[in-house]
Amino acid sequence: NAGVTQTPKFRILKIGQSMTLQCTQDMNHNYMYWYRQDPGMGLKLIYYSVGAGITDKGEVPNGYNVSRSTTEDFPLRLELAAPSQTSVYFCASSSAGQTYEQYFGPGTRLTVT
Amino acid sequence: EDKVVQSPLSLVVHEGDTVTLNCSYEVTNFRSLLWYKQEKKAPTFLFMLTSSGIEKKSGRLSSILDKKELSSILNITATQTGDSAIYLCAVEAKGGTSYGKLTFGQGTILTVHP
Repeated sequence: NAGVTQTPKFRILKIGQSMTLQCTQDMNHNYMYWYRQDPGMGLKLIYYSVGAGITDKGEVPNGYNVSRSTTEDFPLRLELAAPSQTSVYFCASSSAGQTYEQYFGPGTRLTVT
Repeated sequence: EDKVVQSPLSLVVHEGDTVTLNCSYEVTNFRSLLWYKQEKKAPTFLFMLTSSGIEKKSGRLSSILDKKELSSILNITATQTGDSAIYLCAVEAKGGTSYGKLTFGQGTILTVHP
């Protein structure tokens, strides 16, 4: 099992560019999440999904979009990148019965300049 | 809005010391309190505490939930350099679409010197 994988590991974007962060899990988890972590801060939930076709906003959704067409994949789209979106992005997944035990991917470090 | 506050923000100790990390929370419809350890990259799950399970222990790590004070502590005894990490506390609310939506504290950075 690879667990949760994320690509790319690093990316530098110019202001106004767009990109998609990829996330895939092979544990057949229904629940998937996107977090961002700013320096010295904890994790903040951007979007989450309880199953294919179902997504909902978290604490900080502005400037992002998601889709969930399969159980395995949960891409995060950044439109019109801004410096405030410079952060480390983590994808996570969990089973429906143990939502508290989330398995995290290795993260994507994004810099917007 | 749910809120989690951790203290101290950072801690430097020597191997063999015992440390206590603190977490206080405000949450509507509390379901569970969680501790995660974050080393160089992704957080990994340590403990889950609920109203019906207020103490957990695993090796040198232990955690207690104080339901009255709305807080939790994470104790690490006989610290080792491998315990150096960010320790994250989070709470999960219950009901409706709240399951799985964790609110994290800002973390405590623990550094253990040899």
